[in-house]
Amino acid sequence: GQSLEQPSEVTAVEGAIVQINCTYQTSGFYGLSWYQQHDGGAPTFLSYNALDGLEETGRFSSFLSRSDSYGYLLLQELQMKDSASYFCAVSRSPNTDKLIFGTGTRLQVFP
Amino acid sequence: DVKVTQSSRYLVKRTGEKVFLECVQDMDHENMFWYRQDPGLGLRLIYFSYDVKMKEKGDIPEGYSVSREKKERFSLILESASTNQTSMYLCASTRQFRGTEAFFGQGTRLTVV
Repeated sequence: GQSLEQPSEVTAVEGAIVQINCTYQTSGFYGLSWYQQHDGGAPTFLSYNALDGLEETGRFSSFLSRSDSYGYLLLQELQMKDSASYFCAVSRSPNTDKLIFGTGTRLQVFP
Repeated sequence: DVKVTQSSRYLVKRTGEKVFLECVQDMDHENMFWYRQDPGLGLRLIYFSYDVKMKEKGDIPEGYSVSREKKERFSLILESASTNQTSMYLCASTRQFRGTEAFFGQGTRLTVV
């Protein structure tokens, strides 16, 4: 079957660094992406990795290891507004027509 | 400003009713998706469509059907609503062969009583 495993909850304080892990087991893999969802809001795209290594976008970075079926999202200089749920998602083809999401990680940032 | 619009934010329907959830995107995207989101279960794919009149089942298609008569519109149909279909439904779209940046609608909170 298909599975993407993430921790259910992570807590941190403002200014800290937090890492959210994602391990996946899917039939077919093309790339790993990350989405942020605030309570009551729609998921919004954060980053995408198709190749092994680290992708940096401002305070957020994402890492992929295809050989380990593993990736993570790194959030630096945490702010209160980063409190949200974070989802990893696997694209199983280059057509992005088979997008499967993980169960999500709720991040709570405390002052 | 790109947009995916779902017809309703909140819906309350009775068991056994036929329910239509509508989604429209203005980005000329080829792919469109319907997910349901439940606490602790993440987003689960119900159906997706990669072209007009084309559709494929996702991971939880039972009890649902879809329709895509025009490129911009993707409808989710609950043939006979049941209480276990009470959920948040999210529509999304992506452009083919352009990574995995999916654009989501605001969601429809459906309650079946």
